[in-house]
Amino acid sequence: NAGVTQTPKFQVLKTGQSMTLQCAQDMNHNSMYWYRQDPGMGLRLIYYSASEGTTDKGEVPNGYNVSRLNKREFSLRLESAAPSQTSVYFCASSADRNTEAFFGQGTRLTVV
Amino acid sequence: QQQVKQSPQSLIVQKGGISIINCAYENTAFDYFPWYQQFPGKGPALLIAIRPDVSEKKEGRFTISFNKSAKQFSLHIMDSQPGDSATYFCAALVDKLIFGTGTRLQVFP
Repeated sequence: NAGVTQTPKFQVLKTGQSMTLQCAQDMNHNSMYWYRQDPGMGLRLIYYSASEGTTDKGEVPNGYNVSRLNKREFSLRLESAAPSQTSVYFCASSADRNTEAFFGQGTRLTVV
Repeated sequence: QQQVKQSPQSLIVQKGGISIINCAYENTAFDYFPWYQQFPGKGPALLIAIRPDVSEKKEGRFTISFNKSAKQFSLHIMDSQPGDSATYFCAALVDKLIFGTGTRLQVFP
């Protein structure tokens, strides 16, 4: 049982480049989330999708876009990467909005 | 604006001791309070959780104490072991999960 799978695991971008982080879950969960983790800041919510076809902004959405492609997949796009977006990104899913979330292994992104 | 405040930032405990991590929240609409454990290079994993209609929940060596009137909850790790060395996050949920800033726990033999 794979759970939540994120790709890639590591990525280095130059300032201004774009990229998409992929996330897929095989637990038939309705809700999916993208977080970023920075030292001393905990995990901060970027965007979430309460159900297929809906997306909402979290605490730190600026500079990001998301797509809930289908029930399984939720992607995060950086249109023009900035050094401030250097972080570890985690995707998570939950059965619905008010149950525990299960996390992927993370994507370590460095923007130079 | 930090909706969930967590302390301490780091904690050093001797093997066999009790580790205590505290969290406070502001939004009274939060209705689910999980604790996550994260090892280096891994994603957070659910450790234990509580709902506000219960004042305490125990699972093995891990206990959550919940004080609804004070809007505070805490994690107690009894008989702490070196394998418990990790970062712990409290969180609160209503529609979406909001995390505290984390506590790095180190348990020395």
